[in-house]
Amino acid sequence: DTGVSQNPRHKITKRGQNVTFRCDPISEHNRLYWYRQTLGQGPEFLTYFQNEAQLEKSRLLSDRFSAERPKGSFSTLEIQRTEQGDSAMYLCASSILTNEQFFGPGTRLTVL
Amino acid sequence: DAKTTQPPSMDCAEGRAANLPCNHSTISGNEYVYWYRQIHSQGPQYIIHGLKNNETNEMASLIITEDRKSSTLILPHATLRDTAVYYCIVRVTHLNTNAGKSTFGDGTTLTVKP
Repeated sequence: DTGVSQNPRHKITKRGQNVTFRCDPISEHNRLYWYRQTLGQGPEFLTYFQNEAQLEKSRLLSDRFSAERPKGSFSTLEIQRTEQGDSAMYLCASSILTNEQFFGPGTRLTVL
Repeated sequence: DAKTTQPPSMDCAEGRAANLPCNHSTISGNEYVYWYRQIHSQGPQYIIHGLKNNETNEMASLIITEDRKSSTLILPHATLRDTAVYYCIVRVTHLNTNAGKSTFGDGTTLTVKP
């Protein structure tokens, strides 16, 4: 399968712990996006990269959130000192300079 | 990116055409209309996009009004597997180097019934 992959698929953590998610985009896709989706709502944009450069960050991305794409390939999204309000599905998408974004299956985070 | 308005839910009989409307009255001249769908517990899946002409692919047809203020996604022969949330998005063309995020609304939940 050469689609976008995300790991882990599910993560349960206790409030205050740090978590890190990984996204592997489709090979040669130079744009990578992170979205967050809560139950019953559409995905909300968090940030995106073109190659290794982080070009835009949403106001939703508080200081506790950090994203990296060190070599322009895979990306990680870290949440520090998790809060119950961080519980959501975290979606990654990639594209190759087109608006046709290909989404991964998501990582579902539950903060207890 | 322009805002879109969609009905929250629709039903369709299996085998019939499903017509999903979207209003985007503030669309700009350089913005395309995109449709995605999301089946439960999966990531959104691209369906189709267009600028001003009607488009068709193996999944669906997209009809855009002449004034571009609204569009309709048509699934010609809906099946039970088409039950999903359908999102209509407008965003700038990929030729704009600032093109990035997609702004999703809450979409239309389409339920295909046997």
